[in-house]
Amino acid sequence: DQQVKQNSPSLSVQEGRISILNCDYTNSMFDYFLWYKKYPAEGPTFLISISSIKDKNEDGRFTVFLNKSAKHLSLHIVPSQPGDSAVYFCAARGSGSARQLTFGSGTQLTVLP
Amino acid sequence: DAGVTQSPTHLIKTRGQQVTLRCSPISGHKSVSWYQQVLGQGPQFIFQYYEKEERGRGNFPDRFSARQFPNYSSELNVNALLLGDSALYLCASSLFQGTNYGYTFGSGTRLTVV
Repeated sequence: DQQVKQNSPSLSVQEGRISILNCDYTNSMFDYFLWYKKYPAEGPTFLISISSIKDKNEDGRFTVFLNKSAKHLSLHIVPSQPGDSAVYFCAARGSGSARQLTFGSGTQLTVLP
Repeated sequence: DAGVTQSPTHLIKTRGQQVTLRCSPISGHKSVSWYQQVLGQGPQFIFQYYEKEERGRGNFPDRFSARQFPNYSSELNVNALLLGDSALYLCASSLFQGTNYGYTFGSGTRLTVV
């Protein structure tokens, strides 16, 4: 059972426009949600996080929105740049002792110049 | 400032063999986690160690084991390798057990089982 789902394997966006990446989850016990970016041959890089008690967090061009009632979060990138092209993973942190992350399957974002 | 370092970078093993992967966390970080990323999927949690004790284990068979040393580096061992163990193995470190700012990942070890 996939507790964190990213239903769009890929997304293409024109440079300068908004990129919206979506993520759904099923476990209400997650206490933090995080977005990671991954380039080929590199490990995932932390981008931005949001507490389960918040509905929005902003950091520069990146904004994450959380809709708890819908168990849905989204990452907005404005404006999109070609260097943003990468695989984006949504992750949710468990509230248990290990605080492990449960990842979605990722969305390949391609920003076209 | 060195990040999370993993060795080796790539590895090819035969079915049935055993493998040891190594991870050095960021200096000062006391928590190390291991994740397996199979092609086309997101990373999946294997183990977390904090202050040299196992604090969590994912849904992996007993063929997988790990340990953390006094200097906080860690090893992941996999016995009786199966073709399905072929994956990118990622190590992540954090200062404490469960940071709100995300874990710092290494570049991983690409294991191929033939």
